[in-house]
Amino acid sequence: GAGVSQSPSNKVTEKGKDVELRCDPISGHTALYWYRQSLGQGLEFLIYFQGNSAPDKSGLPSDRFSAERTGGSVSTLTIQRTQQEDSAVYLCATTRGVTSPLHFGNGTRLTVT
Amino acid sequence: AQSVTQPDIHITVSEGASLELRCNYSYGATPYLFWYVQSPGQGLQLLLKYFSGDTLVQGIKGFEAEFKRSQSSFNLRKPSVHWSDAAEYFCAVGENDYKLSFGAGTTVTVRA
Repeated sequence: GAGVSQSPSNKVTEKGKDVELRCDPISGHTALYWYRQSLGQGLEFLIYFQGNSAPDKSGLPSDRFSAERTGGSVSTLTIQRTQQEDSAVYLCATTRGVTSPLHFGNGTRLTVT
Repeated sequence: AQSVTQPDIHITVSEGASLELRCNYSYGATPYLFWYVQSPGQGLQLLLKYFSGDTLVQGIKGFEAEFKRSQSSFNLRKPSVHWSDAAEYFCAVGENDYKLSFGAGTTVTVRA
């Protein structure tokens, strides 16, 4: 596709369940970021992938959060044992590099009930 | 560590009036600076960016921003606001490798 694709667009889950969020990057974009946008908050950095380098996981809020990027392309963000405070929009963004603009997906709106 | 502050949470401006959104950053070296806009129901879009050179940067949709090193600021301006400019605006700072830190955002309301 032409842009960053995220799925699902909306996810409602019960507290304690695990969820997986998917990001399909723009072809050729080696850098991939996950951000979280909570109501009234700015964009919170979660994790960064760059090529085959070890990911920067410094933004992950707890060990319930993990992410993978297979083959340098598709990325999956997994949240285990979801909590209500995990409710947010999870945004994926990709770029060729820091001097190039970030291209954001439309996000996955996660609601934990 | 880098950080970004957008002091104004919400700004209301009349259509046709000028707009200025403030952004202050904390970073040890000259950062990469960005402004993004998020219109209702749409994704984030890059308005403009600064890496080096001329400190006054022109962006899309008639926006400009000025990098002032002495004030650690990168304020966004538009001389005449249109109703379609109602959106949330995010300032971001990047290290010279990769990580972008975003401000909390400023919501702009445009009144007729």
